[in-house]
Amino acid sequence: AQSVTQLDSQVPVFEEAPVELRCNYSSSVSVYLFWYVQYPNQGLQLLLKYLSGSTLVKSINGFEAEFNKSQTSFHLRKPSVHISDTAEYFCAVSGAGGTSYGKLTFGQGTILTVHP
Amino acid sequence: GAVVSQHPSRVICKSGTSVKIECRSLDFQATTMFWYRQFPKQSLMLMATSNEGSKATYEQGVEKDKFLINHASLTLSTLTVTSAHPEDSSFYICSAHWTGSGTQYFGPGTRLLVL
Repeated sequence: AQSVTQLDSQVPVFEEAPVELRCNYSSSVSVYLFWYVQYPNQGLQLLLKYLSGSTLVKSINGFEAEFNKSQTSFHLRKPSVHISDTAEYFCAVSGAGGTSYGKLTFGQGTILTVHP
Repeated sequence: GAVVSQHPSRVICKSGTSVKIECRSLDFQATTMFWYRQFPKQSLMLMATSNEGSKATYEQGVEKDKFLINHASLTLSTLTVTSAHPEDSSFYICSAHWTGSGTQYFGPGTRLLVL
């Protein structure tokens, strides 16, 4: 079984400031890690994912996350945020194989609010 | 690529009626789809795993006779909320698992309001 903890329920920042959304997980098996973003009244959109290979993964809109196995973390970062980044962000984990393959466990979500 | 649609996006129904929600993977085949429920200001709660050609697997506490799931093809899964009550009002989200990518892709969600 897996679990995910997002340490901050809300993160307010000013536009063009850097931001980090924290995510820690626990699992007894190898994992895949994901960040999803949800805008109001919408479904989830995949932001980025780590399956294997380079531990630093990047999205097309400037976000990046680094898989740290020793610290069981997958923190999301952006060096300079925009107003349009205001949304709720969910960290999720699935098993990399076996019975938990493909089955996501979500964190509680972090609401990122970017102020002008 | 990897687009998942849901229909309807919003539905209002009377207590006691049944509502069917469709989830389609538009450009890939999904042997496994998932159904989630999301309460306001909360994370997604997995309700059930829908497997093409076999019975769905329900999470603990989810009534299988109330939330009927049918995964009749590799691109379509349906969730039917039977005899809906006001407490069933929620945001229902489906996802389709693209096996080759190891990734779930989510539909836009269906807002259900039971009066």
